Amino acid sequence: AQSVTQLDSQVPVFEEAPVELRCNYSSSVSVYLFWYVQYPNQGLQLLLKYLSGSTLVKGINGFEAEFNKSQTSFHLRKPSVHISDTAEYFCAVTATDSWGKFQFGAGTQVVVTP
Amino acid sequence: DAGITQSPRHKVTETGTPVTLRCHQTENHRYMYWYRQDPGHGLRLIHYSYGVKDTDKGEVSDGYSVSRSKTEDFLLTLESATSSQTSVYFCAISEADGNTIYFGEGSWLTVV
Repeated sequence: AQSVTQLDSQVPVFEEAPVELRCNYSSSVSVYLFWYVQYPNQGLQLLLKYLSGSTLVKGINGFEAEFNKSQTSFHLRKPSVHISDTAEYFCAVTATDSWGKFQFGAGTQVVVTP
Repeated sequence: DAGITQSPRHKVTETGTPVTLRCHQTENHRYMYWYRQDPGHGLRLIHYSYGVKDTDKGEVSDGYSVSRSKTEDFLLTLESATSSQTSVYFCAISEADGNTIYFGEGSWLTVV
């Protein structure tokens, strides 16, 4: 079985400042990793995913994440946030042999202020 | 727009009544999923389907059943709703392994 821990429940950040959202996972098998964003009263939108290959993954809206197998981490970063980045962010993992059956983290609420 | 429609979007029901949520897709994707979202828990998988009439349980399946008689529709039924099933329910679809998974807009269910 897999599990995901998002280390921060809320991250306040000023506009144009960098942000990092931390995600650690545990699994006894190979995994795929994802970050999703959820705006208020909406569904989840995929930001980026790691399936294989380069450990640095670039996604939409200027986000990127780095897969670190030795530290079992998949942290999300953005060098300069905008007010519109205010949302909840979810890290998720699925075993490579069970596509779509995600384990989600509890979420990190990002609040961007001017 | 990922071609997923959930209905109803909002529902209030009484304890002990049956409730059915519908997920309809226009993408002809093979895989469909039902998740529930609760504060502090992220999303948790209830049931999923890997084809017509092929379904299996997720991690929080107790009290829920599903059916998929057509590729485009995946129904989630609460046989006898309880207050613990008050939640936001999300349907998701995927074409195949490795393809992007798309989520619907959610169905807000309140059991009183």
